[in-house]
Amino acid sequence: QTVVTQEPSFSVSPGGTVTLTCGLSSGSVSVDYYPSWYQQTPGQAPRTLIYSTNTRSSGVPDRISGSILGNKAALTITGAQADDESDYYCALYMGSGIWVFGGGTKLTVL
Amino acid sequence: QVQLVESGGGVVQPGGSLRLSCAASGFTFSTYNMHWVRQAPGKGLEWVAFIRNDGHDKYADSVKGRFSISRDNSKNTMYLQMNSLRAEDTAVYYCAKDNERFGVDYWGQGTLVAVSS
Repeated sequence: QTVVTQEPSFSVSPGGTVTLTCGLSSGSVSVDYYPSWYQQTPGQAPRTLIYSTNTRSSGVPDRISGSILGNKAALTITGAQADDESDYYCALYMGSGIWVFGGGTKLTVL
Repeated sequence: QVQLVESGGGVVQPGGSLRLSCAASGFTFSTYNMHWVRQAPGKGLEWVAFIRNDGHDKYADSVKGRFSISRDNSKNTMYLQMNSLRAEDTAVYYCAKDNERFGVDYWGQGTLVAVSS
């Protein structure tokens, strides 16, 4: 059973930079997994931020970026703002029409 | 603009069945792949099922054999037939539009399914 791993929680100061990661319990994440990232605030539907590793979805500011760092996918937020405080989920495409989400990271801005 | 509206959620007893619908508008539904994603109370997102524009389907192991995804392109609607429901299927169910780049670009607001006796 493939497990997609994310930090359970992270904190960042207003104006600061934070990098959240998305890994695999076994193996490395590469562009071949087409990592995508989603933001969710309580009671709301998810919002797509990044797809295919580093492509921003429509309306996403360029202070939010995606990449591969080492053996993980990464989501970097620069100039953190109060409304960045959310849950962030990554998803990996496992092939053959199967996707797996990570457990999510709760980001606090304080 | 793209809109996805889920319906059909509710309370059902363990072992029961429910069919969710997702009405799509604002894009050419017949040409896009679609997904169902769920979120149990207080938990993270879980991918549930995928349907290609030609009807080819895939499922998460947790629902395989119990859930069935389908679509009616003439009605711009996707469905999720859920059978043999269990308490652990309790969740908000979201439909989502595939972006043809191995991700999702639009999400519905979700419909709550509660499995309880």
